[in-house]
Order: sequence, then structure tokens, then C-alpha cells
Amino acid sequence: EILMTQSPATLSVSPGERATLSCRASQSVSSNLAWYQQKPGQAPRLLIYGASTRATGIPARFSGSGSGTEFTLTISSLQSEDFAIYYCHQYNNWQTFGQGTKVEIK
Amino acid sequence: QLQLQESGPGLVKPSETLSLNCTVSGASISSSNYNWAWIRQSPGKGLEWIGTVYSIGNTYYNPSLNSRVIISIDTSKKQFSLNLSSVTAADTAVYFCARRTESFDYWGQGILVTVSS
Repeated sequence: EILMTQSPATLSVSPGERATLSCRASQSVSSNLAWYQQKPGQAPRLLIYGASTRATGIPARFSGSGSGTEFTLTISSLQSEDFAIYYCHQYNNWQTFGQGTKVEIK
Repeated sequence: QLQLQESGPGLVKPSETLSLNCTVSGASISSSNYNWAWIRQSPGKGLEWIGTVYSIGNTYYNPSLNSRVIISIDTSKKQFSLNLSSVTAADTAVYFCARRTESFDYWGQGILVTVSS
């Protein structure tokens, strides 16, 4: 099983600032990586797939990068609605998720 | 607009079988472009993929659950289903159904299933 490790566990950011979230795979997943946003009581929402392609309707302030084992999700200027938990997901070999990064208001 | 809706009992007794349905509306469940998945989320284990079913009935299961899981699809009813046998308290979770292209692009709202006597 491919283990996905996200860091940090919690990120405290002020509105308008940049947030950078990391995801590391225990072995290469090529570009077969997605990012999701989840708010309390809701299902995860797809943000990014293919490591860097924004899903339909996702604002341009969300961007993804990386390949192989190291990936980054960047939120360029945090809006109030962006405070949530973010998960990475590899689909190169079966499916596994990271444990999540909580983005909270500083 | 594609919608997925989970349904089933919210309480299951230990050692029994958890059975859930997911009803798909707004898109064809028969399309070969997509497949359909069950994912669960518990405080202890985070998000866990359970398994995937294709429109023609092929299935793929998480190896850690393989011996207890059956996922099936009924295209005439626009539904796919999850059966998880011999449940324990560790199977208590929110269960989501989702559409899979490569990533999971559409999700149901989720249903909390508690395993307790």
C-alpha cells in the first residue's frame, strides 16, 4: 500500500495570505494525484487532479504541482471560504489518501 | 447536474452485514467513461477507499477489506450497492459513494453508519 503523508497537520494562516500544503508518497505515483477540500459535515470536493489540473469550477487561486513522490497544493490568497481540511489522494496504485491538513484562521 | 445519494440503515449490530445503496441521478450510470466507488471516513483511519465497480460489473476492492466486501451495480435502477459483512465497531464511519474517473469527482453527502448492539 502506498502511504501518503501530509504536512503540516495544521496550518494557521491569515486571510489574504498564501498557504502551501505538502503531500509525500512512499513511492512514486507519477502525476496520479488529486487534492480535495472538506468542510465540516460535507463530502470532500475535488480541487485538483493529475497533480496540477484544476477541476471544473475551482478558482485560479488553487494550484497544484509536483510529480513522483513530492506534491504541493498552493492557495495564493486565502479567502474565508478556504478554511477547511485538505486531503491528497493517489490513484496510481489502488487508492490511498493522506491524513489531511487543517487550514485554520490565524 | 450529477447527484449521488446514499441510503440504508444507520445502525448495524456487530457481526451482521452493513448494506448501503447509492442512487445516481443526472448522468448515466452505464457509461464506460466512469466507474463508481465506496469510500468511508472514520476519526481513527481518515478517508479509506473500500472498492470500485464498473458499469459492466467488474469490481476492485481494498485488499484490507477484500474478504468482507461485495459491491454490485444495477444499471436499470441507476444504483450501486455495498455489502460489508461481519462488521465490528471499527467499521463505524461515514460512508460515501462517489463517481470515479481517475480521481473522485462527484460525491454523495455521506451516511453515518454506527456498529453497536
